[in-house]
Amino acid sequence: IAGITQAPTSQILAAGRRMTLRCTQDMRHNAMYWYRQDLGLGLRLIHYSNTAGTTGKGEVPDGYSVSRANTDDFPLTLASAVPSQTSVYFCASRLTSGGDNEQFFGPGTRLTVL
Amino acid sequence: GQNIDQPTEMTATEGAIVQINCTYQTSGFNGLFWYQQHAGEAPTFLSYNVLDGLEEKGRFSSFLSRSKGYSYLLLKELQMKDSASYLCAVRGGSGNTPLVFGKGTRLSVIA
Repeated sequence: IAGITQAPTSQILAAGRRMTLRCTQDMRHNAMYWYRQDLGLGLRLIHYSNTAGTTGKGEVPDGYSVSRANTDDFPLTLASAVPSQTSVYFCASRLTSGGDNEQFFGPGTRLTVL
Repeated sequence: GQNIDQPTEMTATEGAIVQINCTYQTSGFNGLFWYQQHAGEAPTFLSYNVLDGLEEKGRFSSFLSRSKGYSYLLLKELQMKDSASYLCAVRGGSGNTPLVFGKGTRLSVIA
């Protein structure tokens, strides 16, 4: 079934540890996004990529890095996790050409940093 | 910058009609989106407006006024399963600009 997968589903992490959240889509969407969702703050954009090989910073990029080596994968790395990065992380993708504007979301990763 | 406002919470009765408003201020405009998100799940796409007017899709309709920076989502014949958060999102600038989301409106449908 086509769609977006994220791994892990949930993770508890000690502060200071490095962590990579994985995101893979098989819809050949050119654009991919990482959001975090916190109670009372809604979905906030961390980083995005409009096409393989390019990335951009969103509203809350500090402490996070991304790479886009190919069309399908868009990993998000926390170099040294801090408790304020406890959140639910959603990956999303869409096709920016051809009039299809719908943005699809992955199931999310629930991350707790202690 | 971009600012999107919507009510935090709403309650409505099963079988009734509810209107969720969204106002926005953006640099450029390239579409307004509504998403539904049930607790513990990912957001799912409901509607898209880029021109002024009403878009109807079954029990759900979405309205846009670009001159007023205003949209609403109308849900008819409410069902208990409609209890969820409803997220208003705007794409400013060009078609490549990422979506910016409002904080969401939590709708509770009661019997």
